Order: sequence, then structure tokens, then C-alpha cells
Amino acid sequence: SQQGEEDPQALSIQEGENATMNCSYKTSINNLQWYRQNSGRGLVHLILIRSNEREKHSGRLRVTLDTSKKSSSLLITASRAADTASYFCATLPYGSSNTGKLIFGQGTTLQVKP
Amino acid sequence: DAGITQSPRHKVTETGTPVTLRCHQTENHRYMYWYRQDPGHGLRLIHYSYGVKDTDKGEVSDGYSVSRSKTEDFLLTLESATSSQTSVYFCAIRAGRADYEQYFGPGTRLTVT
Repeated sequence: SQQGEEDPQALSIQEGENATMNCSYKTSINNLQWYRQNSGRGLVHLILIRSNEREKHSGRLRVTLDTSKKSSSLLITASRAADTASYFCATLPYGSSNTGKLIFGQGTTLQVKP
Repeated sequence: DAGITQSPRHKVTETGTPVTLRCHQTENHRYMYWYRQDPGHGLRLIHYSYGVKDTDKGEVSDGYSVSRSKTEDFLLTLESATSSQTSVYFCAIRAGRADYEQYFGPGTRLTVT
């Protein structure tokens, strides 16, 4: 079964608005990662947050992690049409460092309208 | 793109035929992974490899086998393809010394008729 559950499944916003996606997971983790997938392409790593971190920024991306609630959020500020893609969270469960086996959520499809 | 290529990129095959998908990397990464992506299921791990001739099962390994005879190539074989194996298949490598983010190939779209 999937570790990560993402919410919402689909999101449609206007260019310039902020987009927030949420991810919940079930077990203890080493880190949580966010990936983007453009239509017909492979996944691209965006940002990683470790279990002992609460917030991380990268450009227009802001990720938060609440281990007590087993949840994370990805905020994309000042969205652009080029941000249109599917976004996936992935967790590296505690004890999986040797294998590096990630567990992916089902993804949020973001549409940014020009 | 971490130098990952997949071949073929598209394939249509008939039920019962064997199919082999190839993942090739150029950067000598030790860990490689095969996933399948289906609507409503996200990405699910099929098999992974932690070195030459070292492989292990993932979440959805039934009906699939893998081989890794050299570092740069990781092969995924469907011994007898079924319609339920129609999917998009992604290969990935593990990068990073401590955090283990993954980098993905472009994918292979497989249709089993």
C-alpha cells in the first residue's frame, strides 16, 4: 500500500497565485522528498526535507514537515504556467537508508492557467 | 538528467510474449530501481539493484524479473506479458551521499494487447 496520500488530487489556479499541496504518510521516516512530473516525462527531484527539519526553501518552493502529524506540505509561490505538472511526495521510511527504497504518493495534478 | 536512458521508449506486444526493457546509466551509480506508474496508484517499486548481480524485490514484483550483469545496465523482463502489465515503466538511480534522492529516466510506455 502507498505510504503517502496527497491532497488535493487536482488543483487549478491562475498564474501568479500560490499553490499548496499536502502529503500524509503512515510510518516514521528518514526524509520526505517532492518530485515533479511533466506530462509524458520522468520525475524530477525538487526538494528534500529531513525528519529533523521543519521547513525548507528552494527558490519559489517552500516545504514544511510535521512529523507529529506525519504530514508535509509543498507551497509554490507566484505560480507560472510552466509549473503545470503532477507533483509527488515520496518518503524514505526509517530503516530504509541501506536500500534507499522510496514510497511514493499518488500525486497532485496542478494546472496553472495563464 | 543523470545520464539515464531507457529503451525502447514505446512498445506494443501481445499477451504471452516475453518483453525486456533496458535501463542504461553513464555515471556508475550503484543503486538502480524499476517502477511502474498507473493511474490512481502513483509509482510502485517492482525491483531494485544494489550492485552487479545484486537485486531484490519491490512491492509489485510478481510477473517480473531483473538482471544486472554490469553496473550501467539494469534489465527488466516480463516473462509472459499480461494485459495487467500495460503501464509506464520508469527506471531510476539513487544519488546523494546521505539523503538518497532519485533521478529518473524518461520512461517506457508498454501496451500489452
